[in-house]
This record gives sequence, structure tokens and C-alpha cells, in this order.
Amino acid sequence: GAGVSQTPSNKVTEKGKYVELRCDPISGHTALYWYRQSLGQGPEFLIYFQGTGAADDSGLPNDRFFAVRPEGSVSTLKIQRTERGDSAVYLCASSRGTSGTSSYEQYFGPGTRLTVT
Amino acid sequence: GQSLEQPSEVTAVEGAIVQINCTYQTSGFYGLSWYQQHDGGAPTFLSYNALDGLEETGRFSSFLSRSDSYGYLLLQELQMKDSASYFCAVRDSSEGDQGGKLIFGQGTELSVKP
Repeated sequence: GAGVSQTPSNKVTEKGKYVELRCDPISGHTALYWYRQSLGQGPEFLIYFQGTGAADDSGLPNDRFFAVRPEGSVSTLKIQRTERGDSAVYLCASSRGTSGTSSYEQYFGPGTRLTVT
Repeated sequence: GQSLEQPSEVTAVEGAIVQINCTYQTSGFYGLSWYQQHDGGAPTFLSYNALDGLEETGRFSSFLSRSDSYGYLLLQELQMKDSASYFCAVRDSSEGDQGGKLIFGQGTELSVKP
């Protein structure tokens, strides 16, 4: 079946602009995660959803970052007033659930490479 | 909080066996997982250990010792295509056995030489 898809694959924006990154999880996966990855580092947790609600947003760096998942499927990560330090690959992942082993097996999308100039 | 340590780089030759170690510090522990990531690609789940011992999946095996807060990924019969970054990850312990927040190590870049 189809994997996790993310659009756009690349986004270049100017400092101060607003961007939206989209994630389409695997059908039937109730949990959806956003991570950020800088070069040479592991994925860094941002937020995850169980269904439509944000179950844990403790990784969002500040209030410029916001994410939604209104119908429990597609999610959008929104970044306001972008800064050069926001440049990274933004990864989305989904899993069947969050209990037991389900959350350990997360399926990642190819990511959106965000460059803020 | 949680922290994980793994070597930054490992080099091995085709056909050999390589072990990538991971030590972790967590206030609660609910399992250790491993992911593979090729350059420019998405992380891909490899294995998960909740209990002590060795889990084998084809050429890849993963080991866990909870008393030592230590695990490793063992790759056998190395192939060129195994050149990639490998990450260990634990679940954030603040949510107990529920919740999906994973904390990843910095990654180990494996280079397989002919």
C-alpha cells in the first residue's frame, strides 16, 4: 500500500515568511508524528497526534510552530515568521497506535527540506 | 530526561560483521528500537527490543541488556547497500507505556567498503 507522503519535498522561503508543510499518513494509522532533522543529527521530536488531537506538543520549539490534524488523517505543520534556524528536514511519521510496540514501529515519509534564506 | 549515545562512525568491509552500540539513560524504560536511514532517505524501522536478549531478523539482529542500559545492532554479511546511518531510539518515559514520542540517538554512519 501507499506509504507516508509529504509535500512539498523542498521549500525555500525568505526569513519572516509563513510556510505550511503537509503530511499524508498511511491509511488506518491513528498516530501521526512530526520530527525535525538537522544534518548529522537524529530526528528531533516536535509533536504527535492520536486521532485529531495533539497528544504531546512538548517538542515544538516556540509558538511560531503549530500543527493540526482536523479529520484524523492529513496533518499540516505551520511555521510563522520563519527564521534561518528553522532550516532543516521536517519528517512526518505514522503508526498503528501508541501503546506497546505500535509506537516503536513508525513509518516515515521522505521529508520536506525547508530552507529559510 | 533521556539521552542516548552511539558511535558517530563505523567502517567495515563487505561480507564482514559489524556491531553498533547504544547506551541510554532514561528515567523509565519501555524498549529500544533501531532505524536505518540512507542518505536523503526516510528513516526505516529495523527492530525493537523490550526484553533482554537477542532478536534476529535476517542479516540484522538487535540485542538488549536492561541492567546495563545497553543495546546493539548486529549486521552480518555486510553488503554495500548497508552503508547508511543507524539510529537507536527510546520512548519518552514521561508517558509510561503509552505515547509515541521517540527520542533518537545522534546516529552512527556505517560505511561498507569493497
